[in-house]
Amino acid sequence: AQSVTQLDSQVPVFEEAPVELRCNYSSSVSVYLFWYVQYPNQGLQLLLKYLSGSTLVKGINGFEAEFNKSQTSFHLRKPSVHISDTAEYFCAVTHPGGKLTFGTGTRLTIIP
Amino acid sequence: DAGVTQSPTHLIKTRGQQVTLRCSPISGHKSVSWYQQVLGQGPQFIFQYYEKEERGRGNFPDRFSARQFPNYSSELNVNALLLGDSALYLCASSLRPGNEQYFGPGTRLTVT
Repeated sequence: AQSVTQLDSQVPVFEEAPVELRCNYSSSVSVYLFWYVQYPNQGLQLLLKYLSGSTLVKGINGFEAEFNKSQTSFHLRKPSVHISDTAEYFCAVTHPGGKLTFGTGTRLTIIP
Repeated sequence: DAGVTQSPTHLIKTRGQQVTLRCSPISGHKSVSWYQQVLGQGPQFIFQYYEKEERGRGNFPDRFSARQFPNYSSELNVNALLLGDSALYLCASSLRPGNEQYFGPGTRLTVT
């Protein structure tokens, strides 16, 4: 069975400051890892994904994440946040062909 | 190109009623998955369909059922509604199971 833990339910950050949203996973098999963003009253939009290869993955809107197999982590980072980044962020894991298992989400609030 | 579409956008039902939610995948996508997102939580996997066959089912009671049509659109049915079924129901499509999933805007179901 797979599981995902997002350690922070809420993260307030000042505008133009850096941010890191933490994600840890557990799985007995190889997995694919994803970060999704959900803006208010909308569905989920894929930010980035790790399937294989380079452990540093770059996504949309200036976000990046690093896959660390030894620490079973896939933390999301952005060097400088904007007001428009205010949203809920979900980390998810799946093994090839399988369902997506999501974390409980991290609400990112940008303070002007 | 149109993304994943879902109907209706919002729905209000009373306990004990039945509801049908609809999803149209991105053109060319043959796999559809359904997720339930209760307020404040991450999405939970309900069903996955591929080429009109059920390929996976989450931990949901038999009151939940789904099907996929020859045009790859899908319906999710929930019978004997409970207050706890109130949630955002998300549909996602992909070329095939294991490929990147694209989410629709969701159907918000309120059970009173």
